[in-house]
Amino acid sequence: GAVVSQHPSRVICKSGTSVKIECRSLDFQATTMFWYRQFPKKSLMLMATSNEGSKATYEQGVEKDKFLINHASLTLSTLTVTSAHPEDSSFYICSASGSNHYEQYFGPGTRLTVT
Amino acid sequence: KNEVEQSPQNLTAQEGEFITINCSYSVGISALHWLQQHPGGGIVSLFMLSSGKKKHGRLIATINIQEKHSSLHITASHPRDSAVYICALMEYGNKLVFGAGTILRVKS
Repeated sequence: GAVVSQHPSRVICKSGTSVKIECRSLDFQATTMFWYRQFPKKSLMLMATSNEGSKATYEQGVEKDKFLINHASLTLSTLTVTSAHPEDSSFYICSASGSNHYEQYFGPGTRLTVT
Repeated sequence: KNEVEQSPQNLTAQEGEFITINCSYSVGISALHWLQQHPGGGIVSLFMLSSGKKKHGRLIATINIQEKHSSLHITASHPRDSAVYICALMEYGNKLVFGAGTILRVKS
């Protein structure tokens, strides 16, 4: 299957700082990328959908100014958590789909801890 | 009522047992995904179904569109199958709606 990578896999940052998470499709062109967060023992929650070259569509309750998403190329999307707070600590996962819109390929996730 | 319900929530099996995880849903869908999440967190897509049955190794997934029900079967289960199994609906469009997951533990 197609490969999606995320970087970093783990990050610890201090309150008030910003952290950027990268999601890359390694062997296909991802026209759409999705960002999810997952709290312990909970299911994934969609945060936003991004299409290459256009603004991301955020789910209700997700602050677009806090979670900045950029999808500047067909292989890279970034999520920046701005002015991070401890409650932003979570597991963030991206997925990507290409020409076959039904298929989604998931990244390995990034565990963010805000101290 | 949630759009997607999985059962059981937790399942403990002995190595070699046949395992079934169920997923029922209440909305129209274009496809249904079965995902596997290991303790480290990474998610692997096992199957994407829109009708019928698919098989990959010891894993079998079926879907009945009329009954709005899907099952994931694991034959000859092994401790390395221990993971969380998640059913996810693709409604019309390509956003996924996730079930709560089934925590499977296979004991040797």
